[in-house]
Amino acid sequence: NAGVTQTPKFQVLKTGQSMTLQCAQDMNHNSMYWYRQDPGMGLRLIYYSASEGTTDKGEVPNGYNVSRLNKREFSLRLESAAPSQTSVYFCASSEGRGSYNEKLFFGSGTQLSVL
Amino acid sequence: AQSVTQLGSHVSVSEGALVLLRCNYSSSVPPYLFWYVQYPNQGLQLLLKYTSAATLVKGINGFEAEFKKSETSFHLTKPSAHMRDAAEYFCAVSVPNRDDKIIFGKGTRLHILP
Repeated sequence: NAGVTQTPKFQVLKTGQSMTLQCAQDMNHNSMYWYRQDPGMGLRLIYYSASEGTTDKGEVPNGYNVSRLNKREFSLRLESAAPSQTSVYFCASSEGRGSYNEKLFFGSGTQLSVL
Repeated sequence: AQSVTQLGSHVSVSEGALVLLRCNYSSSVPPYLFWYVQYPNQGLQLLLKYTSAATLVKGINGFEAEFKKSETSFHLTKPSAHMRDAAEYFCAVSVPNRDDKIIFGKGTRLHILP
């Protein structure tokens, strides 16, 4: 089972460049999430989507946009990358609409460096 | 807003010794609480969760956690540490019927000494 698949696994950008992180899940889950992980900061929620067609801001949404393309796919876009966005990005999904009591399934992460 | 605090960014225990990872939560209503584990270069995996049923929750790999409302704590324990338990552990909280977000703590890296 593939579960949650993120691409790319590694990316280096120059300041001001744009890119899109892709995420797809094959578990027919309703909710999807983007987190960033920084040393000593744990995981911080960037954006989430409780169902197809809806997205909401998390703790640290500035500088990012998201698209819930369909039930399977949830992409994260950096329009103008900044060094402060150097981080490891994780996509996650959960079964329900509104997952406050549910297990999150995580992808293996994207390591992004912005120079 | 809800939050969790994990005490100790690094914890070292000897193989075979008790593992105790501390987590305290802040929430105005009874929360749901989770422990996740992250092995090197991997995503997070759920160890266990508390959702207002039994206060002592048993998870995978021999871990368990006890919800103590009076202490606002949800500490993770394992009676006997194994080398394979070396990983980073995250406590997380969410609030039922309030929003759809699960908020993570900053993590505790567990080191196992031979």
